[in-house]
Amino acid sequence: EAQVTQNPRYLITVTGKKLTVTCSQNMNHEYMSWYRQDPGLGLRQIYYSMNVEVTDKGDVPEGYKVSRKEKRNFPLILESPSPNQTSLYFCASSDRGQGYGNTIYFGEGSWLTVV
Amino acid sequence: AQTVTQSQPEMSVQEAETVTLSCTYDTSESDYYLFWYKQPPSRQMILVIRQEAYKQQNATENRFSVNFQKAAKSFSLKISDSQLGDAAMYFCAIQNRDDKIIFGKGTRLHILP
Repeated sequence: EAQVTQNPRYLITVTGKKLTVTCSQNMNHEYMSWYRQDPGLGLRQIYYSMNVEVTDKGDVPEGYKVSRKEKRNFPLILESPSPNQTSLYFCASSDRGQGYGNTIYFGEGSWLTVV
Repeated sequence: AQTVTQSQPEMSVQEAETVTLSCTYDTSESDYYLFWYKQPPSRQMILVIRQEAYKQQNATENRFSVNFQKAAKSFSLKISDSQLGDAAMYFCAIQNRDDKIIFGKGTRLHILP
């Protein structure tokens, strides 16, 4: 079954304590991306990756890091989380090999609360 | 810069009736894709319908159809015979050849029994 898996799904953490949200896809997709969803703001792209070792900033990259060492994994790293990073986070992937416009597969979302 | 505007934060429709959600966008590209995504209370993102800018024919998926007006940069979603399961947040999105996807802020749709 085609899947994008995020962990953890729910997390409450404290300001400044580094955390990593993992994302893994089993579809051999080249393109992966992270979004955050906030009330009234829709989904905003944090970072994206066109392929292994290729990453680029989205619209709201401040306070986040990513890496793409393997095709299937695209972890999101919050080095020093702050309360304004409390949000619902989505990882997504799609297959660029067949051209753009392909279905984007989303993970189930990770609820992150920073206190 | 690309933008996607959904001017209706919330809408309500009676069960079995038809409702249209509006979406306008701005892009300097001539080649792009447009999408409507549904997000039910579970927060899962579900693709509803997709339209390629080069295709003049409006996309249709069962009870869901779009009215794509390229010159006006408008991409509205029509839901016919609304059902209780259609209640969700709906996001309009645009994707260019660089794969970057821009989402609108969403329209919350309520279905009245």
